[in-house]
Amino acid sequence: SQQGEEDPQALSIQEGENATMNCSYKTSINNLQWYRQNSGRGLVHLILIRSNEREKHSGRLRVTLDTSKKSSSLLITASRAADTASYFCATDARGGSNYKLTFGKGTLLTVNP
Amino acid sequence: NAGVTQTPKFRVLKTGQSMTLLCAQDMNHEYMYWYRQDPGMGLRLIHYSVGEGTTAKGEVPDGYNVSRLKKQNFLLGLESAAPSQTSVYFCASRYTKLAESTDTQYFGPGTRLTVL
Repeated sequence: SQQGEEDPQALSIQEGENATMNCSYKTSINNLQWYRQNSGRGLVHLILIRSNEREKHSGRLRVTLDTSKKSSSLLITASRAADTASYFCATDARGGSNYKLTFGKGTLLTVNP
Repeated sequence: NAGVTQTPKFRVLKTGQSMTLLCAQDMNHEYMYWYRQDPGMGLRLIHYSVGEGTTAKGEVPDGYNVSRLKKQNFLLGLESAAPSQTSVYFCASRYTKLAESTDTQYFGPGTRLTVL
């Protein structure tokens, strides 16, 4: 079963606006990661946040993690048309094999020029 | 570095035919994975390997077999293809070093498989 669930399923914004995507998960985790997938391509790793971290930044990306609510958010600031892609959260479940990541179903972000 | 490569990129099979998908990585990673991606389903793990000579079942292993005879290669086999196996297949290798907060899966470009 899916561990992570992204929300919304689809998001359409104008260039320059901020985009926020959310991820909820079910069990305790070691870390949570976000990946991007451009249409027809493989996934690309964006950022990892550990369970003992609350916020992390990387360029225009800001990730937050609330382990009490079992949720994470990915904020992309000053979006560009090139940010158009699907975004997935992936979790590494605590107490599991720690060899596997479980991916959500993704949020499709469209940035209109 | 080529990263993770997959062959073939596209394939059309008839029901009952067999085929092997090849994944190769040149980053000396121990962990490798096979996923399938279907519309509305996200990525689902088929099989994975934590090192040369080892394999393990993922979330949806039925109808697939894998082998990891060499560290750099991870093969996914379909012995008797079914229409339900129509999907996009992704291979990934993983580098993890949690002391550095590093845990990254590197994905190949995918194989689009259609089973008629």
